[in-house]
Amino acid sequence: SFELTQPPSVSVSPGQTATITCSGHMLGDKSTAWYQQKPGQSPVLVIYEDTKRPSGIPERFSGSNSGNTGILTISGAQVMDEGDYYCQAWDSSTAVFGGGTKLTVL
Amino acid sequence: QVKLVQSEAEVKKPGASVKVSCRASGYTFTNYAMNWVRQAPGQGLEWMAWISAYNGNTNYARKFQGRVTMTTDTSTNTAYMELRTLRSDDTAIYYCARDVDPFSTSWYNPWGQGTLVTVSS
Repeated sequence: SFELTQPPSVSVSPGQTATITCSGHMLGDKSTAWYQQKPGQSPVLVIYEDTKRPSGIPERFSGSNSGNTGILTISGAQVMDEGDYYCQAWDSSTAVFGGGTKLTVL
Repeated sequence: QVKLVQSEAEVKKPGASVKVSCRASGYTFTNYAMNWVRQAPGQGLEWMAWISAYNGNTNYARKFQGRVTMTTDTSTNTAYMELRTLRSDDTAIYYCARDVDPFSTSWYNPWGQGTLVTVSS
């Protein structure tokens, strides 16, 4: 079955660029999305169709997808960006989520 | 604005069934699919199924086929998820989430507040 693999954790200092990867077989041939989830809250969509930002999502969030890897980039990460991030793709009519990455900004 | 309001937390015994509701407002209910995603305590997200609010078509994750049923009530703009033969590992927060685009199944925005289902004897 199709699987998406994310690093368990990523840590950056405020103002630095945070990069979170999502790996899957030929993932670049599919579209991906990214969700942010803060403790005790529901997930929020931050990137969809690889590169699109929903309204209200800051421009510092961007995405890319090529080969076997999708990437979420947070340029100038802020403390408020801390949380868990999940990638998502579709395979054979099934939505698949990555295991999640805990982003720490301190 | 678009809002999804879910039913309250439930505690069930193993073998029982649970039905979670998700009431939508702020958009044309029948134009969008509704999805269900669950999250076990301290774990990641797991997609369960989607249902078209337009025609009732469904697509269930293989893991849940035969044990879950998704329905909608267009008169009240409410989606339902029923999970049967509950086990302890079904203990999770269950989320409904609307599709981003009408008449498609893809990405989820917004999400409901979640309903905690606890399965315990």
